[in-house]
Amino acid sequence: DGGITQSPKYLFRKEGQNVTLSCEQNLNHDAMYWYRQDPGQGLRLIYYSQIVNDFQKGDIAEGYSVSREKKESFPLTVTSAQKNPTAFYLCASGINTIYFGEGSWLTVV
Amino acid sequence: AQSVTQLGSHVSVSEGALVLLRCNYSSSVPPYLFWYVQYPNQGLQLLLKYTSAATLVKGINGFEAEFKKSETSFHLTKPSAHMSDAAEYFCAVSGNNDYKLSFGAGTTVTVRA
Repeated sequence: DGGITQSPKYLFRKEGQNVTLSCEQNLNHDAMYWYRQDPGQGLRLIYYSQIVNDFQKGDIAEGYSVSREKKESFPLTVTSAQKNPTAFYLCASGINTIYFGEGSWLTVV
Repeated sequence: AQSVTQLGSHVSVSEGALVLLRCNYSSSVPPYLFWYVQYPNQGLQLLLKYTSAATLVKGINGFEAEFKKSETSFHLTKPSAHMSDAAEYFCAVSGNNDYKLSFGAGTTVTVRA
């Protein structure tokens, strides 16, 4: 089936560690996005990529990094520089209509 | 820059009653407008989108929304609420050449039996 696959669904991070969230899509979309969701704040854009080997910062990029080496893949790394990483992370793809994956929960322990 | 404001963070309705979720947008260009629904611990599912083809947009699950330029609004309605409509709903906007979405804060809908 076509869609966006995020993994893992649940992830725990210790202080000082970097963690990487996976996002794969088979919708043949050029554009991909990462959003962060916190309760009562809607979704905020972290990074987006319009084409392979290119990406731009969104509204809250500090403490995050991404790569776009393949059209299907857009992994997000949450670095130790992100001071408050506990959140629900959503990957999305598309242009005129944007579709979302099922999300990943990251918790700092 | 585009933005949306959702009025009311929580709406409670009785089963069978009208559901009305309010969204106002701010955009310097004709916008694309969207409504998404999110069930607990899941991603967002597109309910409907407005792209200037028609002001009344019909979506999935019996929802519809009307674009009113004079009021800069894009309110979501459903004539008769069902228990399965309990979820969080997000209004979002993007520009014609800037397809990044800007989201409202969301409205949680609860349905009373």
